[in-house]
Amino acid sequence: EAQVTQNPRYLITVTGKKLTVTCSQNMNHEYMSWYRQDPGLGLRQIYYSMNVEVTDKGDVPEGYKVSRKEKRNFPLILESPSPNQTSLYFCASRLVRGTYYNEQFFGPGTRLTVL
Amino acid sequence: TQLLEQSPQFLSIQEGENLTVYCNSSSVFSSLQWYRQEPGEGPVLLVTVVTGGEVKKLKRLTFQFGDARKDSSLHITAAQPGDTGLYLCAGAQTSYDKVIFGPGTSLSVIP
Repeated sequence: EAQVTQNPRYLITVTGKKLTVTCSQNMNHEYMSWYRQDPGLGLRQIYYSMNVEVTDKGDVPEGYKVSRKEKRNFPLILESPSPNQTSLYFCASRLVRGTYYNEQFFGPGTRLTVL
Repeated sequence: TQLLEQSPQFLSIQEGENLTVYCNSSSVFSSLQWYRQEPGEGPVLLVTVVTGGEVKKLKRLTFQFGDARKDSSLHITAAQPGDTGLYLCAGAQTSYDKVIFGPGTSLSVIP
């Protein structure tokens, strides 16, 4: 089954404790992205990657890191989480081709609480 | 900064009613998409519109892309409880561009 998986689905942590949220896709998509979703603000892009070893900042990259060492994986790293990073996080992937925007496939989300 | 606005923010209607939600921007997009998100899940694509003035129908859902490619609407006929969810519009200028999401319209259809 074609899908994007994220782990963990739920995480409660404390300020300053490094954490990683994993994301994996099995559709051979070049493009992968991380979003955070907050009430009234919609989905805001954190980082995206056009392909292996190519990453770029989205709209809200502060406090986050990413890496793209393999095509299928795109982990999100919070080196020193703070309470304002409490949010619902989504990983997504899509093909890159042509001039039209292709469908993004989203993971099930990771609900993060930073105390 | 590109922004997408959606209205209304919340909508609660009775089963069988019709409704329209709107997505507006001051920027021109080459394509605009509508996603639906159900609680506890990620957004799922409903439709992509790419031509100014384009109208697409998906069963009881009708999507329209404005002539100037700055706005879009989603009309639902005879809403059902299964239509309940968060409706998000998303725009992009090229396939390689960042995607801009609107804040969403939360729809509740009461049986």
